[in-house]
Amino acid sequence: EAGVTQFPSHSVIEKGQTVTLRCDPISGHDNLYWYRRVMGKEIKFLLHFVKESKQDESGMPNNRFLAERTGGTYSTLKVQPAELEDSGVYFCASSQGVGMAPQHFGDGTRLSIL
Amino acid sequence: LAKTTQPISMDSYEGQEVNITCSHNNIATNDYITWYQQFPSQGPRFIIQGYKTKVTNEVASLFIPADRKSSTLSLPRVSLSDTAVYYCLVGAYPGSARQLTFGSGTQLTVLP
Repeated sequence: EAGVTQFPSHSVIEKGQTVTLRCDPISGHDNLYWYRRVMGKEIKFLLHFVKESKQDESGMPNNRFLAERTGGTYSTLKVQPAELEDSGVYFCASSQGVGMAPQHFGDGTRLSIL
Repeated sequence: LAKTTQPISMDSYEGQEVNITCSHNNIATNDYITWYQQFPSQGPRFIIQGYKTKVTNEVASLFIPADRKSSTLSLPRVSLSDTAVYYCLVGAYPGSARQLTFGSGTQLTVLP
């Protein structure tokens, strides 16, 4: 069984540019989550999809971040325009059903804003 | 949000049993307790989840006392490859992913 896949593994862009991160969850998993760890801080929740619907986006830092999950399969997280404080590691996780914590995490996208 | 407190670090030797305790004094009635393991440059890896008493799977056991204000992750016979950061999280599912804050975790170092 393929795990959660994130692309790219690393991204280096300049302040003001746009970057799109992609997450492919485990096939059939309705729940998809985005988290991030900014430098020196804890891993924090960004948002949660159930299929294609946003169940909870309370962790999204501001309107420069846009997450989509068209068709309820893969998800993208776009940062536009990127700021220096957006640097960090962005994790995606997926799980099936209710009552369980996110069980499968990807290895993250390391985003560096110059 | 239920706040958790764990030791910052622990050392152990290969073959020993390791117990990592987490305090969560303000755990809510519908909260579950979940433990994750994380290696450098990798995403967190789910270890075990429980609500009360004892839960065991192929890699670990989770002990939760009756008051649920703490929990203990038990790793039997650790090996060098168990060196990692271990996180204790508390939250209810569904709808509580925002409560899933990882905290600082416990850095476990297994020595030969």
